[in-house]
Amino acid sequence: EIVMTQSPATLSVSPGERATLSCRASQNFGSNLAWYQQKPGQAPRLLIYGTSTRATGIPARFSGSGSGTEFTLTISSLQSEDFAVYFCHHYNNWGETFGQGTKLEIK
Amino acid sequence: QVQLVQSGAEVKKPGSSVKVSCKASGGTFSNYAITWVRQAPGQGLEWMGRIFPLLGIVHYSQTFQGRVTVTADKSTATAYMELNSLRSEDTAVYYCARKLTLADAADSWGQGTLVTVS
Repeated sequence: EIVMTQSPATLSVSPGERATLSCRASQNFGSNLAWYQQKPGQAPRLLIYGTSTRATGIPARFSGSGSGTEFTLTISSLQSEDFAVYFCHHYNNWGETFGQGTKLEIK
Repeated sequence: QVQLVQSGAEVKKPGSSVKVSCKASGGTFSNYAITWVRQAPGQGLEWMGRIFPLLGIVHYSQTFQGRVTVTADKSTATAYMELNSLRSEDTAVYYCARKLTLADAADSWGQGTLVTVS
């Protein structure tokens, strides 16, 4: 089972600045990597799939990149509504695993 | 637009079982996969298992293997997740989510079902 490790656990950033969130896999699995945003009391919302493709309706300030075992979610200019918890998600034909999450908070 | 509506909150005794339902509307139910994920209070997301009704494929996380059963009723477009031998650590919100195929991200989520074991 692939283990996904996110860093940092908490990231403090000011509105308007850039945020970079990381996700590392315990083994190479290609590009089946997604990112979700979750706000308190809500279900997760898909942001990015296939490492770098934005889901429907997701603003262009969200971008994903990476390969091999290192993946990154970048939010180019933080808006107030972006402060939330973010999870990475590996999926393939045999199973799935999630990272433990990064909490993005206002600095 | 697929919508997933889950059954209501449950309170269970340790050692008992719980069965959570997830009814889909929109799209063709048997043509996509349903995955189950749980979230303990203040914790992250934990994958439990999934089903692809069209191909009759079911996968389980090693963590829950032997204790969880995922099924689907194509006639009612409803998926189910049953968890046995409940313990206090199973207190969590349980989510179902839709995936176009097994190797896809989860693009639509249910509202979540709180299961309390006490």
